[in-house]
Amino acid sequence: AGVTQSPTHLIKTRGQQVTLSCSPISGHRSVSWYQQTPGQGLQFLFEYFSETQRNKGNFPGRFSGRQFSNSRSEMNVSTLELGDSALYLCASSALAGGGRFYNEQFFGPGTRLTVL
Amino acid sequence: GEDVEQSLFLSVREGDSSVINCTYTDSSSTYLYWYKQEPGAGLQLLTYIFSNMDMKQDQRLTVLLNKKDKHLSLRIADTQTGDSAIYFCAESISDSWGKLQFGAGTQVVVTP
Repeated sequence: AGVTQSPTHLIKTRGQQVTLSCSPISGHRSVSWYQQTPGQGLQFLFEYFSETQRNKGNFPGRFSGRQFSNSRSEMNVSTLELGDSALYLCASSALAGGGRFYNEQFFGPGTRLTVL
Repeated sequence: GEDVEQSLFLSVREGDSSVINCTYTDSSSTYLYWYKQEPGAGLQLLTYIFSNMDMKQDQRLTVLLNKKDKHLSLRIADTQTGDSAIYFCAESISDSWGKLQFGAGTQVVVTP
């Protein structure tokens, strides 16, 4: 099975919070999150590996995430703004090349968030 | 600069070859990727190349890497209508494993 994300679609109103879920490919320990909007394109949010955040993009603190011991990951957006409307994509990858390098990143179908 | 750059649009006739170009930024990048996105869908990994390679071929896809000019290209042979999509190139950042920096995407339209 590939990367799965839930829910598929979500509609929220400004000020609410939302939690999105991502299940990586079995055996993959790294999960990355990306935001895709027509205006800004694909932007990196953060990456988790073995329950630790390894990298973080340039997003406000309203965006947070975590990873569980089974490698599943969640991201949370608090105090939603209209500009948070986007397709949120997660990707999973396995280590390769002597433990330093990531090779393929496989993406899930995404969660489309609409903020009204 | 810090941007991965791609041309925004390419129109190609069915059966012809498509060439999508990309310039990247980090000379120490390890992997460079090509992804395909169809409407309403996530990103499909097409192929990737390690930065010590010059070329990689995978069926109809050929990736060429010019490290001197930081130029990456994807050639699709015998382009089909099912190849119509947005194509993204991306680079992995050498000091931030697991983070991909994407270009804006090239919309490829295949006409009969």
